Amino acid sequence: NAGVTQTPKFQVLKTGQSMTLQCAQDMNHEYMSWYRQDPGMGLRLIHYSVGAGITDQGEVPNGYNVSRSTTEDFPLRLLSAAPSQTSVYFCASSYEGLETQYFGPGTRLLVL
Amino acid sequence: GDSVTQMEGPVTLSEEAFLTINCTYTATGYPSLFWYVQYPGEGLQLLLKATKADDKGSNKGFEATYRKETTSFHLEKGSVQVSDSAVYFCALSAGNYQLIWGAGTKLIIKP
Repeated sequence: NAGVTQTPKFQVLKTGQSMTLQCAQDMNHEYMSWYRQDPGMGLRLIHYSVGAGITDQGEVPNGYNVSRSTTEDFPLRLLSAAPSQTSVYFCASSYEGLETQYFGPGTRLLVL
Repeated sequence: GDSVTQMEGPVTLSEEAFLTINCTYTATGYPSLFWYVQYPGEGLQLLLKATKADDKGSNKGFEATYRKETTSFHLEKGSVQVSDSAVYFCALSAGNYQLIWGAGTKLIIKP
């Protein structure tokens, strides 16, 4: 089992560019989520999905898009990058609900 | 709204010292409580959890007891090691498939 994988590990963008952060899991988990981690602020939920075809917004969804066409994959799209989106992004999955979440290694994003 | 407050770090201890990291929460209802740990350069991983009042979660020598009367879930370990150096996050389940996270406490253990 690879667990939760994320690509890329590090990315530099210019303001206004778009990109997709990839997340995949091989544990057949129904629940997947995206967080951003900023210094001194803990983790904030961006979007989550409770199964293929079902997504919903978290605490800070603006500027981000998600889709869930398969159980395994949950990509996060930045539509038009802004410096405020400079952060570390984590993808997580769990079998059901929030009982135990498994995190990917993170993507460090720098927007200039 | 629901919230989690953790003691500010960094917390610096010598090896074999006793550790306490404070966590208090505000929530409606009866949330589940979690401690996650993030080692340098890695993602978070679940350390322990408790799902109801007076439950004690434990793992790798760490313990935390769900105290409803003081709305607390303090993390403790009797004798820390250098390998315990990490950032520790307290969190609660807020319902609606969302976790509310504390800001994290960085722990530094010196040999």
